[in-house]
Amino acid sequence: SQKIEQNSEALNIQEGKTATLTCNYTNYSPAYLQWYRQDPGRGPVFLLLIRENEKEKRKERLKVTFDTTLKQSLFHITASQPADSATYLCALEATGFQKLVFGTGTRLLVSP
Amino acid sequence: GAGVSQTPSNKVTEKGKYVELRCDPISGHTALYWYRQSLGQGPEFLIYFQGTGAADDSGLPNDRFFAVRPEGSVSTLKIQRTERGDSAVYLCASSLRLLAGGPSEQFFGPGTRLTVL
Repeated sequence: SQKIEQNSEALNIQEGKTATLTCNYTNYSPAYLQWYRQDPGRGPVFLLLIRENEKEKRKERLKVTFDTTLKQSLFHITASQPADSATYLCALEATGFQKLVFGTGTRLLVSP
Repeated sequence: GAGVSQTPSNKVTEKGKYVELRCDPISGHTALYWYRQSLGQGPEFLIYFQGTGAADDSGLPNDRFFAVRPEGSVSTLKIQRTERGDSAVYLCASSLRLLAGGPSEQFFGPGTRLTVL
C-alpha cells in the first residue's frame, strides 16, 4: 500500500543550527513533492514545491532535495530560529490527480 | 487580501445530527479541496472541485458525506447522521490551477473543528 513516512518524534535543535527533516515514501510515483508548515490551530502553509525531474530547490533559508531513486525528500532549514518551531508536512501529488497525499508531519522545536 | 475562510471555527454536535461546514476560497481560485485532519496526523483528502463539479470525490469515507459548490466559489461540506468517529478538523484549501496536470500550491483555511458527542 502507499505510504509516506515522516519522523513522528519531535526534532529538537539549537538556534542557529541546520534542521533536516526527512520524508520517505513507498509505492508511489509523485510528479511533485511539496512541503508545508503547520502551526497549532491553523491550516498548513505552503513552503516549497519540487518536481520529479528536479534534484534541489532553494528559497531563502529553506532547501529541499528530491531523490526519486531513494524515494526520499530532505527538507533543510539553515540558521534556524525559534520562530521556525512548527510541524512540517510533506505532501505528494501525482500528475493528473490534483489531490495531495500528506505525511504525518514532523514537529520541529528550535531552542534559543 | 483575504485568504481562505471557513465557518464555523468550532462545531459541537450530537451523534446522529446533520452538520454543514462552509468554505470561502480565495477569489478567482478555480480549484477547491476538502481535507480532514485527526490529531497527530496529516490532512487526509476528501474531495476536489474544479469549478462547480466534483472532479474527484474518492476520499469521501461513505455516503453520509457530501459536498457542493453550486456557483464555483463557496463550498459546503455536509455530513449526515454524524458519528463520534467524524470528530476531526475539516480543512478547506483552494488553488489557482493554471495548467491541466500542473502542480497545485494549495492555500488552506484555518479549519473547522468538529466534535461529535
